[in-house]
Amino acid sequence: GQQVMQIPQYQHVQEGEDFTTYCNSSTTLSNIQWYKQRPGGHPVFLIQLVKSGEVKKQKRLTFQFGEAKKNSSLHITATQTTDVGTYFCAGETQGGSEKLVFGKGTKLTVNP
Amino acid sequence: DVKVTQSSRYLVKRTGEKVFLECVQDMDHENMFWYRQDPGLGLRLIYFSYDVKMKEKGDIPEGYSVSREKKERFSLILESASTNQTSMYLCASSSGLLNIQYFGAGTRLSVL
Repeated sequence: GQQVMQIPQYQHVQEGEDFTTYCNSSTTLSNIQWYKQRPGGHPVFLIQLVKSGEVKKQKRLTFQFGEAKKNSSLHITATQTTDVGTYFCAGETQGGSEKLVFGKGTKLTVNP
Repeated sequence: DVKVTQSSRYLVKRTGEKVFLECVQDMDHENMFWYRQDPGLGLRLIYFSYDVKMKEKGDIPEGYSVSREKKERFSLILESASTNQTSMYLCASSSGLLNIQYFGAGTRLSVL
């Protein structure tokens, strides 16, 4: 079945350093979504990317969708302690399935 | 404001008990999902439903069943709870158009 691989599983950074997490799908996606789960919380939707090569920014967060629509990345510039949590990518397959395939997530810790 | 409500935050049950986890959404969403989340394994889809009385197996349906008698309510049933079903259970809902998933706060189930 379809798989979405996400790396790294864990990332520890000093406050102010940059952070990137990567997702790769075994199949072409119709879109990819990113979610953030704070410690003790539940996943919360951040953004959806639909177009090949799309780049979107939310303040210090930059999201990219690959040209082949099989990979994506989330980059955080100058991390802050409020960025801690687990970041998940989730892909929707072409052909219109209602379900998303989630990556296993990258757990980010930020040392002040 | 979007709301997905799970009936319990914490639940402790005995092995062999029948367990019901309830989820209600107030957004008139067609799709509802049940996931379990375990450390290092990410979010794994148990069952989902794209309409009333409809259900589809996810990646790990064994030992679980679901019920969707009304559009706003999706129940997860553990017919005979076992210790390996100790986990965090997350419910989510989405509409067919954007398929952005909104999660409940989660139920942490311990089976002793």
